[in-house]
Amino acid sequence: EIVLTQSPGTLSLSPGERATLSCRASQSVTSNFLAWYQQKPGQAPRLLIYGASSRATGIPDRFSGSGSGTDFALTISRLEPEDFAVYYCQQFERSPTLYTFGLGTKLEIK
Amino acid sequence: QLQLQESGPGLERPSETLSLTCTVSGDSISSGGFYWGWIRQPPGKGLEWIGSVDYRGDTYYNPSLKSRVAIFVDTSRNQFSLKLSSVTAADTAVYYCARPGTVSTPTFDYWGQGTLVTVSS
Repeated sequence: EIVLTQSPGTLSLSPGERATLSCRASQSVTSNFLAWYQQKPGQAPRLLIYGASSRATGIPDRFSGSGSGTDFALTISRLEPEDFAVYYCQQFERSPTLYTFGLGTKLEIK
Repeated sequence: QLQLQESGPGLERPSETLSLTCTVSGDSISSGGFYWGWIRQPPGKGLEWIGSVDYRGDTYYNPSLKSRVAIFVDTSRNQFSLKLSSVTAADTAVYYCARPGTVSTPTFDYWGQGTLVTVSS
């Protein structure tokens, strides 16, 4: 089973700043089956990025994903007030079929 | 527009079986070949995939829960359901149903609002 480690646990930044969140996998993630989600309090997660670097429908272009193999990153180029939330990475394995999530990074207003 | 809605008891007693249903509107479970999933989130913690099912009833389960989980589909009602047996306080969580955006993309694009299930005597 691939374990995803997200860092930092909490990131304190101000609106307008750039945010970089890390997701490291214990083994190589197959075919870049790596996704990122945003979750706000009391809401379901929202898909941001799939395939490591493709933005989901309706996601602003200030969100970008990068990386391959075991090291991935989510970058928010210029933080808007609505971006302060918890972010999770997620990977998929085929044999056996298994989806796993990281423990999350909380992005808070400084 | 695809919508998913979880329903079921909000309180379960320890050792009982948790039962939840996800009702799908805006799309037919029988179309598209998607694997419809259940994910849970204990209060203040991260996300855990429980399992997924397609319209034929083919299932995949998280190995950590496999011995206690059953997921099945009712295409006539456009619903799929989760049963989790022998629950303990550790099973207290918000339970979400979800669906990928495409057949080939292993992500969850569409989510229900979630339902909190508390396990307590």
